[in-house]
Amino acid sequence: ETGVTQTPRHLVMGMTNKKSLKCEQHLGHNAMYWYKQSAKKPLELMFVYSLEERVENNSVPSRFSPECPNSSHLFLHLHTLQPEDSALYLCASSQAYPGGGLYNEQFFGPGTRLTVL
Amino acid sequence: GQNIDQPTEMTATEGAIVQINCTYQTSGFNGLFWYQQHAGEAPTFLSYNVLDGLEEKGRFSSFLSRSKGFSYLLLKELQMKDSASYLCAVILGGSGAGSYQLTFGKGTKLSVIP
Repeated sequence: ETGVTQTPRHLVMGMTNKKSLKCEQHLGHNAMYWYKQSAKKPLELMFVYSLEERVENNSVPSRFSPECPNSSHLFLHLHTLQPEDSALYLCASSQAYPGGGLYNEQFFGPGTRLTVL
Repeated sequence: GQNIDQPTEMTATEGAIVQINCTYQTSGFNGLFWYQQHAGEAPTFLSYNVLDGLEEKGRFSSFLSRSKGFSYLLLKELQMKDSASYLCAVILGGSGAGSYQLTFGKGTKLSVIP
């Protein structure tokens, strides 16, 4: 079983649609993350969950709404997105947060390529 | 500040050695990661440095100088499959917002040519 999986791999949506991205980790980790990766920009951390509680929210617009029902699953609910939200959305997990050192080693999923029309 | 600088692109020849530099200006430094990311794929872990010096792992080595805010990733005996983006990421330590978050550089796109 692959460590971190994401579905769908590709998503095209209109600005008025509502969709959700799903992430699942099979590593027994306690922390999960959502990142946004746009062309020619660094990976941007969006949300961090530790033991199913949100611990960081880096000034992300409210049109992105995360949900972590348990330590293995993470969702990103999308509504009324803008074209500039088109990007690769990566989910990651790590052993712990905060943890320091190699506890911060993050294992990434393959990402969802999102296009907003 | 949290500036992490890497060259945007590099080109090297198959079989050669290439060094990818990363400089950072962060407070509360608590470690540095290098990740490899092939186009359209997830980043994968390459190395971790928290103390000064060189960490060697096969064809890949990573170096850290905390006093200089400097790291490099050294790739030896380059292969075509090494063509990818290489991401430098720094851990901020301490308390408060952003504690222990990985902050990524923009990545260096390496092209290996025959």
